[in-house]
Amino acid sequence: EAGVTQSPTHLIKTRGQQATLRCSPISGHTSVYWYQQALGLGLQFLLWYDEGEERNRGNFPPRFSGRQFPNYSSELNVNALELEDSALYLCASSLNQPGGYGYTFGSGTRLTVV
Amino acid sequence: AQSVTQLGSHVSVSEGALVLLRCNYSSSVPPYLFWYVQYPNQGLQLLLKYTSAATLVKGINGFEAEFKKSETSFHLTKPSAHMSDAAEYFCAVTHAGNNRKLIWGLGTSLAVNP
Repeated sequence: EAGVTQSPTHLIKTRGQQATLRCSPISGHTSVYWYQQALGLGLQFLLWYDEGEERNRGNFPPRFSGRQFPNYSSELNVNALELEDSALYLCASSLNQPGGYGYTFGSGTRLTVV
Repeated sequence: AQSVTQLGSHVSVSEGALVLLRCNYSSSVPPYLFWYVQYPNQGLQLLLKYTSAATLVKGINGFEAEFKKSETSFHLTKPSAHMSDAAEYFCAVTHAGNNRKLIWGLGTSLAVNP
């Protein structure tokens, strides 16, 4: 069974540009979560999608947005990139069940803004 | 509301020594608790989880954790550290409701000295 896949692995953008990050969940998982992991700041929750809808959003500006497609894959878009957006962006997926299943993470996309 | 506190952002042990990483939680409902490990430049991998069954949970790579309700703790231990255990460790909590969002600790960086 394929795990959570993220693409690209690395992305280098110039300040002011837009970045698009992609995530394919494990087959059968309907929930997708996006996290930002900047150096020294731990895991910062960005977005949660389930069944194609945004369920929850972290404390990030509107230039961070995303969507979930009918096949449950997801896309994270970051507009008007700033230098401090440089981070590892992690995607995770989970089953549509409450509580104790936990998440399965992808390997992340390393975004560097120069 | 739920929260997680990981005591000690950096822990250093000698190879072969006991590993003890501390996690305390706050929850008004019975919690589900998780430990994840993150190796450099990788995503997070589930080590073990507590979902209201046995209070002593065994995970991968020789790690285990004990749920202690009276102490609201879920500390992670390993009897003998190996160099390959050097990584970032995250504790997380959720509960058996419709909310599948995990609440994360800030992480503990484990260094293993030869």
